Amino acid sequence: DTGVSQNPRHKITKRGQNVTFRCDPISEHNRLYWYRQTLGQGPEFLTYFQNEAQLEKSRLLSDRFSAERPKGSFSTLEIQRTEQGDSAMYLCASSLGATDTEAFFGQGTRLTVV
Amino acid sequence: DQQVKQNSPSLSVQEGRISILNCDYTNSMFDYFLWYKKYPAEGPTFLISISSIKDKNEDGRFTVFLNKSAKHLSLHIVPSQPGDSAVYFCAASARYGGATNKLIFGTGTLLAVQP
Repeated sequence: DTGVSQNPRHKITKRGQNVTFRCDPISEHNRLYWYRQTLGQGPEFLTYFQNEAQLEKSRLLSDRFSAERPKGSFSTLEIQRTEQGDSAMYLCASSLGATDTEAFFGQGTRLTVV
Repeated sequence: DQQVKQNSPSLSVQEGRISILNCDYTNSMFDYFLWYKKYPAEGPTFLISISSIKDKNEDGRFTVFLNKSAKHLSLHIVPSQPGDSAVYFCAASARYGGATNKLIFGTGTLLAVQP
Protein backbone atom coordinates (compact mmCIF):
# COMPACT_ATOMS: atom_id res chain seq x y z
CA ASP A 1 0.00 0.00 0.00
CA THR A 2 1.63 3.25 -1.11
CA GLY A 3 -0.98 5.65 0.29
CA VAL A 4 -0.89 7.81 3.40
CA SER A 5 -1.15 5.65 6.52
CA GLN A 6 -2.44 6.82 9.89
CA ASN A 7 -2.39 4.99 13.21
CA PRO A 8 -4.39 4.33 15.22
CA ARG A 9 -7.69 4.51 13.35
CA HIS A 10 -9.63 5.05 16.54
CA LYS A 11 -8.64 6.30 19.97
CA ILE A 12 -10.80 6.70 23.05
CA THR A 13 -9.18 8.46 25.96
CA LYS A 14 -10.15 9.99 29.26
CA ARG A 15 -10.07 13.73 29.68
CA GLY A 16 -6.67 14.89 30.88
CA GLN A 17 -4.71 12.05 29.27
CA ASN A 18 -2.08 12.51 26.57
CA VAL A 19 -2.48 10.92 23.15
CA THR A 20 -0.14 10.55 20.18
CA PHE A 21 -1.03 9.84 16.56
CA ARG A 22 1.28 8.74 13.79
CA CYS A 23 1.23 9.51 10.07
CA ASP A 24 3.32 7.82 7.38
CA PRO A 25 3.15 9.86 4.16
CA ILE A 26 3.64 8.70 0.59
CA SER A 27 7.37 8.01 0.41
CA GLU A 28 8.48 10.61 -2.14
CA HIS A 29 6.31 13.39 -0.72
CA ASN A 30 8.21 16.12 1.10
CA ARG A 31 5.19 18.04 2.39
CA LEU A 32 3.06 16.74 5.22
CA TYR A 33 -0.07 18.37 6.64
CA TRP A 34 -2.27 17.80 9.66
CA TYR A 35 -5.95 18.71 9.58
CA ARG A 36 -8.82 18.32 12.03
CA GLN A 37 -12.42 17.66 11.06
CA THR A 38 -15.48 17.90 13.26
CA LEU A 39 -19.02 16.86 12.42
CA GLY A 40 -20.62 18.96 9.69
CA GLN A 41 -17.43 20.85 8.93
CA GLY A 42 -14.72 20.59 6.35
CA PRO A 43 -11.15 19.73 7.35
CA GLU A 44 -9.39 22.60 9.17
CA PHE A 45 -5.66 23.14 8.71
CA LEU A 46 -3.53 22.61 11.82
CA THR A 47 0.11 22.53 10.74
CA TYR A 48 2.45 21.64 7.89
CA PHE A 49 5.99 20.37 7.35
CA GLN A 50 8.40 20.76 4.48
CA ASN A 51 10.69 17.77 5.04
CA GLU A 52 11.56 17.97 8.77
CA ALA A 53 10.86 21.69 9.17
CA GLN A 54 7.54 22.77 10.63
CA LEU A 55 6.77 25.88 8.58
CA GLU A 56 3.30 26.90 9.63
CA LYS A 57 0.99 26.41 12.58
CA SER A 58 -2.65 27.41 12.73
CA ARG A 59 -4.05 29.47 15.57
CA LEU A 60 -6.24 26.41 16.15
CA LEU A 61 -3.15 24.59 17.42
CA SER A 62 -3.01 25.42 21.11
CA ASP A 63 0.04 24.89 23.32
CA ARG A 64 -1.30 21.45 24.20
CA PHE A 65 -0.70 20.31 20.63
CA SER A 66 2.73 19.47 19.27
CA ALA A 67 3.74 17.93 15.98
CA GLU A 68 7.07 16.56 14.84
CA ARG A 69 8.58 15.11 11.71
CA PRO A 70 12.07 14.27 12.96
CA LYS A 71 13.61 12.69 9.87
CA GLY A 72 11.39 14.18 7.23
CA SER A 73 9.46 10.94 6.86
CA PHE A 74 6.74 9.98 9.35
CA SER A 75 5.11 12.54 11.63
CA THR A 76 3.53 12.44 15.06
CA LEU A 77 0.84 14.67 16.53
CA GLU A 78 0.60 14.75 20.31
CA ILE A 79 -2.21 16.24 22.34
CA GLN A 80 -1.49 16.80 26.02
CA ARG A 81 -4.14 17.05 28.73
CA THR A 82 -6.94 16.20 26.32
CA GLU A 83 -10.27 18.01 26.57
CA GLN A 84 -13.68 16.96 25.31
CA GLY A 85 -13.44 19.66 22.64
CA ASP A 86 -10.48 17.81 21.14
CA SER A 87 -12.82 15.03 19.99
CA ALA A 88 -12.57 15.02 16.20
CA MET A 89 -11.17 13.22 13.18
CA TYR A 90 -7.48 14.02 12.77
CA LEU A 91 -6.38 13.81 9.15
CA CYS A 92 -2.90 13.67 7.73
CA ALA A 93 -2.09 14.49 4.12
CA SER A 94 1.04 14.61 2.00
CA SER A 95 2.04 16.16 -1.30
CA LEU A 96 5.04 16.47 -3.59
CA GLY A 97 5.25 20.16 -2.86
CA ALA A 98 5.55 21.28 -6.46
CA THR A 99 3.00 23.65 -7.94
CA ASP A 100 -0.34 22.27 -8.98
CA THR A 101 0.02 19.09 -6.99
CA GLU A 102 -2.81 17.80 -4.92
CA ALA A 103 -2.61 16.57 -1.33
CA PHE A 104 -3.43 12.95 -0.61
CA PHE A 105 -5.15 12.15 2.66
CA GLY A 106 -4.94 9.21 5.01
CA GLN A 107 -7.99 7.56 6.49
CA GLY A 108 -7.74 9.61 9.65
CA THR A 109 -7.65 8.95 13.39
CA ARG A 110 -10.97 9.32 15.17
CA LEU A 111 -10.35 10.70 18.69
CA THR A 112 -13.04 10.51 21.34
CA VAL A 113 -12.36 12.17 24.69
CA VAL A 114 -14.67 10.98 27.46
CA ASP B 1 -14.69 33.95 8.45
CA GLN B 2 -15.61 31.23 5.98
CA GLN B 3 -13.35 31.82 2.97
CA VAL B 4 -14.72 28.85 1.03
CA LYS B 5 -18.47 28.33 1.02
CA GLN B 6 -20.62 25.47 -0.14
CA ASN B 7 -24.12 26.77 0.38
CA SER B 8 -25.97 23.56 -0.47
CA PRO B 9 -25.63 21.05 2.36
CA SER B 10 -27.21 18.33 0.24
CA LEU B 11 -28.19 17.44 -3.32
CA SER B 12 -30.27 14.57 -4.67
CA VAL B 13 -29.98 13.48 -8.31
CA GLN B 14 -31.33 10.61 -10.39
CA GLU B 15 -28.87 8.07 -11.76
CA GLY B 16 -27.72 9.03 -15.25
CA ARG B 17 -28.49 12.73 -14.81
CA ILE B 18 -26.03 15.56 -14.23
CA SER B 19 -24.92 16.51 -10.72
CA ILE B 20 -23.79 20.11 -10.26
CA LEU B 21 -22.05 21.05 -7.03
CA ASN B 22 -21.25 24.68 -6.36
CA CYS B 23 -18.60 26.50 -4.38
CA ASP B 24 -17.91 30.19 -3.74
CA TYR B 25 -14.80 31.79 -2.31
CA THR B 26 -13.95 35.20 -0.96
CA ASN B 27 -10.14 35.36 -0.96
CA SER B 28 -8.92 36.77 -4.29
CA MET B 29 -5.44 35.34 -3.55
CA PHE B 30 -6.70 31.78 -4.06
CA ASP B 31 -5.23 30.45 -7.28
CA TYR B 32 -5.63 26.68 -7.08
CA PHE B 33 -8.85 24.83 -6.46
CA LEU B 34 -9.60 21.19 -5.77
CA TRP B 35 -12.56 18.89 -5.24
CA TYR B 36 -12.43 15.99 -2.82
CA LYS B 37 -14.91 13.20 -2.24
CA LYS B 38 -15.38 11.70 1.19
CA TYR B 39 -17.11 8.54 2.38
CA PRO B 40 -18.02 8.12 6.08
CA ALA B 41 -15.10 7.13 8.33
CA GLU B 42 -12.56 7.63 5.53
CA GLY B 43 -10.22 10.42 4.57
CA PRO B 44 -11.00 12.71 1.62
CA THR B 45 -10.11 11.36 -1.82
CA PHE B 46 -8.80 13.75 -4.46
CA LEU B 47 -11.07 14.06 -7.53
CA ILE B 48 -10.02 16.94 -9.76
CA SER B 49 -8.29 20.30 -9.59
CA ILE B 50 -8.01 23.53 -11.55
CA SER B 51 -5.48 26.31 -11.65
CA SER B 52 -6.62 29.92 -11.85
CA ILE B 53 -5.06 30.25 -15.30
CA LYS B 54 -7.75 27.93 -16.64
CA ASP B 55 -11.53 28.12 -16.65
CA LYS B 56 -12.26 24.44 -17.23
CA ASN B 57 -10.67 21.09 -16.49
CA GLU B 58 -12.15 17.75 -17.43
CA ASP B 59 -11.36 14.22 -16.27
CA GLY B 60 -13.71 11.52 -17.43
CA ARG B 61 -17.15 12.10 -15.95
CA PHE B 62 -15.90 15.01 -13.84
CA THR B 63 -15.54 18.60 -15.05
CA VAL B 64 -14.65 21.60 -12.93
CA PHE B 65 -15.49 25.13 -14.08
CA LEU B 66 -13.91 28.24 -12.62
CA ASN B 67 -15.35 31.75 -12.90
CA LYS B 68 -12.73 34.03 -11.37
CA SER B 69 -14.69 37.24 -11.73
CA ALA B 70 -17.56 35.72 -9.75
CA LYS B 71 -15.22 33.83 -7.40
CA HIS B 72 -17.23 30.72 -8.14
CA LEU B 73 -16.45 27.18 -9.15
CA SER B 74 -18.59 24.19 -9.87
CA LEU B 75 -18.15 20.45 -10.27
CA HIS B 76 -20.21 18.65 -12.89
CA ILE B 77 -20.63 14.89 -12.77
CA VAL B 78 -22.10 13.33 -15.92
CA PRO B 79 -23.60 10.79 -15.87
CA SER B 80 -24.17 10.45 -12.14
CA GLN B 81 -23.87 6.96 -10.67
CA PRO B 82 -25.03 5.57 -7.30
CA GLY B 83 -21.38 5.07 -6.33
CA ASP B 84 -20.92 8.84 -6.54
CA SER B 85 -23.03 9.24 -3.40
CA ALA B 86 -20.71 10.87 -0.86
CA VAL B 87 -19.81 14.22 0.67
CA TYR B 88 -18.00 16.51 -1.76
CA PHE B 89 -15.61 19.16 -0.46
CA CYS B 90 -14.38 22.15 -2.36
CA ALA B 91 -10.91 23.36 -1.34
CA ALA B 92 -8.76 26.34 -2.28
CA SER B 93 -5.13 27.30 -1.93
CA ALA B 94 -3.13 30.52 -2.23
CA ARG B 95 0.25 29.49 -3.62
CA TYR B 96 1.92 32.91 -3.54
CA GLY B 97 5.68 32.66 -3.31
CA GLY B 98 5.62 28.88 -3.73
CA ALA B 99 4.05 28.65 -0.30
CA THR B 100 2.45 25.91 1.66
CA ASN B 101 -0.36 24.77 -0.62
CA LYS B 102 -2.36 24.81 2.59
CA LEU B 103 -5.91 23.94 1.65
CA ILE B 104 -8.95 25.83 2.92
CA PHE B 105 -12.05 23.65 2.76
CA GLY B 106 -15.73 24.35 2.44
CA THR B 107 -18.27 22.62 4.66
CA GLY B 108 -19.21 20.03 2.06
CA THR B 109 -22.24 18.96 0.04
CA LEU B 110 -23.81 15.56 0.54
CA LEU B 111 -24.65 14.10 -2.87
CA ALA B 112 -27.22 11.30 -3.07
CA VAL B 113 -27.61 9.61 -6.44
CA GLN B 114 -30.87 7.71 -6.60
CA PRO B 115 -30.98 4.50 -8.70
